Amino acid sequence: DIQMTQSPSSLSASVGDRVTIICRASQNIGTYLNWYQQKPGKGPKPLIYSISSLQSGVPSRFSGSESGTDFTLTITNLQPEDFATYYCQQTYAAPITFGQGTRLDIK
Amino acid sequence: EVQVVQSAGGLVQPGGSLKLSCTVSGFLFSASAMHWVRQGSGKGPEWVGRIRDKSNNYATVYAASVRGRFTISRDDSKNMAYLQMNSLKTEDTAVYYCTFNGFDYWGLGTLVTVSS
Repeated sequence: DIQMTQSPSSLSASVGDRVTIICRASQNIGTYLNWYQQKPGKGPKPLIYSISSLQSGVPSRFSGSESGTDFTLTITNLQPEDFATYYCQQTYAAPITFGQGTRLDIK
Repeated sequence: EVQVVQSAGGLVQPGGSLKLSCTVSGFLFSASAMHWVRQGSGKGPEWVGRIRDKSNNYATVYAASVRGRFTISRDDSKNMAYLQMNSLKTEDTAVYYCTFNGFDYWGLGTLVTVSS
């Protein structure tokens, strides 16, 4: 199985900050990397697909990039509604796997 | 507009069975693979399995944790997907989501509780 390792597991930041979340795949997954945002009591909300493509309606302060098997979600100019848990996901091969999540809360 | 309606979950005793359904509208359902993802309380999402479309022979694949106990099926004439869950265990307690079009669209989820 492909392991997805996210870091950090939690992060505190302030409104207006820039934050970066990293997801490392245990093997090559090509461009099959998605990011999700999840708020308490809600299901995962798709944010980014294929490493860096924003889902419709997602603000441009969200961006994704990659370097080898490391993938990065960056949020610039944090807004109050961005405080949530973020997950990466590989869809390169079954079983499809998710990272363990990064909880972003207000400092 | 794409709409996804999931059936109600419920409380099931260990060893019991339950069938969930997912109804899609506003989307070319027959052309998309359908996945099921679950999430236990306080845990991250866990992929359960998927069924491909007719052109891919409705091929299914499952997570090891549910293989042999869960079955995914679909009825393209009704725009519905199903998750049949047998031999349920307490560790199957979770919110179950159906998702499709490369995980672009998700249902709201349904809670399944396995407990005596």
